[in-house]
Amino acid sequence: GAVVSQHPSRVICKSGTSVKIECRSLDFQATTMFWYRQFPKQSLMLMATSNEGSKATYEQGVEKDKFLINHASLTLSTLTVTSAHPEDSSFYICSARIPQQLAKNIQYFGAGTRLSVL
Amino acid sequence: QKEVEQDPGPLSVPEGAIVSLNCTYSNSAFQYFMWYRQYSRKGPELLMYTYSSGNKEDGRFTAQVDKSSKYISLFIRDSQPSDSATYLCAMSPVGTNDYKLSFGAGTTVTVRA
Repeated sequence: GAVVSQHPSRVICKSGTSVKIECRSLDFQATTMFWYRQFPKQSLMLMATSNEGSKATYEQGVEKDKFLINHASLTLSTLTVTSAHPEDSSFYICSARIPQQLAKNIQYFGAGTRLSVL
Repeated sequence: QKEVEQDPGPLSVPEGAIVSLNCTYSNSAFQYFMWYRQYSRKGPELLMYTYSSGNKEDGRFTAQVDKSSKYISLFIRDSQPSDSATYLCAMSPVGTNDYKLSFGAGTTVTVRA
């Protein structure tokens, strides 16, 4: 199956610092990638859609200035949590669709990044 | 009412038992139905997907879709301790522009050795 790589898998940082998370499609080009947030024992919550070469589309209630998304190439999207605070601690997961399955909207997920803000 | 309903469990079964998971939904536009497996502290892994109504089998896994009832199921035969995970159903309409997946809450399954 398609492979989506996410890095780092675990981040511990101090309050006020910024953290960057990378999401790569390893064997296919992804014009669109997705960023989710997951709280313990809850389902995935879509935060934003990352579009290659253009601005990301954020879901209602997600702060654009807090969660900066950059999709500079067809294989890489980054999520930067700016001035992180303890309430930003969560599990962040990216996903992508392979070109041959766009109409099916089947998403392949990265391994996730666990962010802990002290 | 949520768009996709899934009993969060938890569900505990002995090794070798059949695990039965299901989701109901309200949006009749959904055409693609997916099941993901998520181990603790990992990202979801696609298990199977089906289109419209019908059955699909892959090894020990069988997915069923009944669009008339807006009900989907996943069966795991001869369950193993390694099947212990959270199982998420997800669904989507057809089309490249309507990209959002609608997820169930996830059912936590434990297979006891």
